[in-house]
Amino acid sequence: DAGVTQSPTHLIKTRGQQVTLRCSPISGHKSVSWYQQVLGQGPQFIFQYYEKEERGRGNFPDRFSARQFPNYSSELNVNALLLGDSALYLCASSLGSGGNTGELFFGEGSRLTVL
Amino acid sequence: GQQVMQIPQYQHVQEGEDFTTYCNSSTTLSNIQWYKQRPGGHPVFLIQLVKSGEVKKQKRLTFQFGEAKKNSSLHITATQTTDVGTYFCAGDTGRRALTFGSGTRLQVQP
Repeated sequence: DAGVTQSPTHLIKTRGQQVTLRCSPISGHKSVSWYQQVLGQGPQFIFQYYEKEERGRGNFPDRFSARQFPNYSSELNVNALLLGDSALYLCASSLGSGGNTGELFFGEGSRLTVL
Repeated sequence: GQQVMQIPQYQHVQEGEDFTTYCNSSTTLSNIQWYKQRPGGHPVFLIQLVKSGEVKKQKRLTFQFGEAKKNSSLHITATQTTDVGTYFCAGDTGRRALTFGSGTRLQVQP
């Protein structure tokens, strides 16, 4: 079975541009979470979606948005990119639907560089 | 907000030596998870601890959850070069998000 797939794997943008990152969860997983990992730090929670509804949001500005589609895939959008948005963006899927997160299965990530 | 601190930041050991990383949360956790991230890779789930005082073993790895459910540790016995990577603890407060520590990077000298 395929794991969590993310695209693109690498991308370079300039300040002020917008980016869309895509994620397909493991088959049967209805929950998708997004995390930002800056070099040398642990992943930081951005969003969690379950059954197409936002169930959790981290401490990120409104420039960050996401959605989940009927097939449970998800997109993360970041507008008005800043240099500090350069990071590895990780998507994770899980079975968890309750308050506890459960085991997360991470994709390989999308490495965003903002120049 | 909730914070998870992890020490040490970095450890360099000789192959065969033991290794321990410690994790402390500013708030009581419903559970704690541990992940391993190889250089250039993505985090991979190792284990979840739920009960106060819980101890779990996976071959050479021993995981503990503190009595107050605010701290945890990972101990590796007789490290091998395949243990190289960054080990993260991640606290779950039941709010649909994990709060990751900053990680401990383990380097093993053959």
